[in-house]
Amino acid sequence: AQTVTQSQPEMSVQEAETVTLSCTYDTSESDYYLFWYKQPPSRQMILVIRQEAYKQQNATENRFSVNFQKAAKSFSLKISDSQLGDAAMYFCAYRSLSHNDMRFGAGTRLTVKP
Amino acid sequence: DSGVTQTPKHLITATGQRVTLRCSPRSGDLSVYWYQQSLDQGLQFLIHYYNGEERAKGNILERFSAQQFPDLHSELNLSSLELGDSALYFCASSVGSGRALTDTQYFGPGTRLTVL
Repeated sequence: AQTVTQSQPEMSVQEAETVTLSCTYDTSESDYYLFWYKQPPSRQMILVIRQEAYKQQNATENRFSVNFQKAAKSFSLKISDSQLGDAAMYFCAYRSLSHNDMRFGAGTRLTVKP
Repeated sequence: DSGVTQTPKHLITATGQRVTLRCSPRSGDLSVYWYQQSLDQGLQFLIHYYNGEERAKGNILERFSAQQFPDLHSELNLSSLELGDSALYFCASSVGSGRALTDTQYFGPGTRLTVL
């Protein structure tokens, strides 16, 4: 079964600085999808960025980018120019092509210091 | 606002009771997914419906059941409630059956269930 590991329960960053959140996963599949979701204090789950495994190019969405290392099964999220509104729980998620469910990591709580 | 609606926002009930959680997907989405978020288990997939048919089951207890109606809204029924069922229950929806990257799941605001 696929598992997703986020080894950093908590991270903090200074406003305007850059932070990287780690995610590793375990799978025997060759093609799959990876996601980062953000959960602010409102508890709403918000899609941040997504990546298809067969695409080698790293996905980018404005200040958010990923470093996808397929061989290492690593999918880290980089947040540039951190803003106070980025403070939230961040969840890494894996979705198989053959299964419709998403497997989530335990989350990383990001604090942004002014 | 993701376009996915869930009612009620909060629900407080007693052990042994039965509750129904409701979800309306985004306009045009055919898939509905249910997830449970608890402190000790994290986010767990429960069940997936596509255009009225059950497509996948996760760690859903036998006391729980769900269905998707012809108008595509979905209900999650939780019965014989236990203290451990207290959690945030999310519904998500996607356009297709979940096999394409564009079938990204968009989450509703969740229903917080408290079992006393």
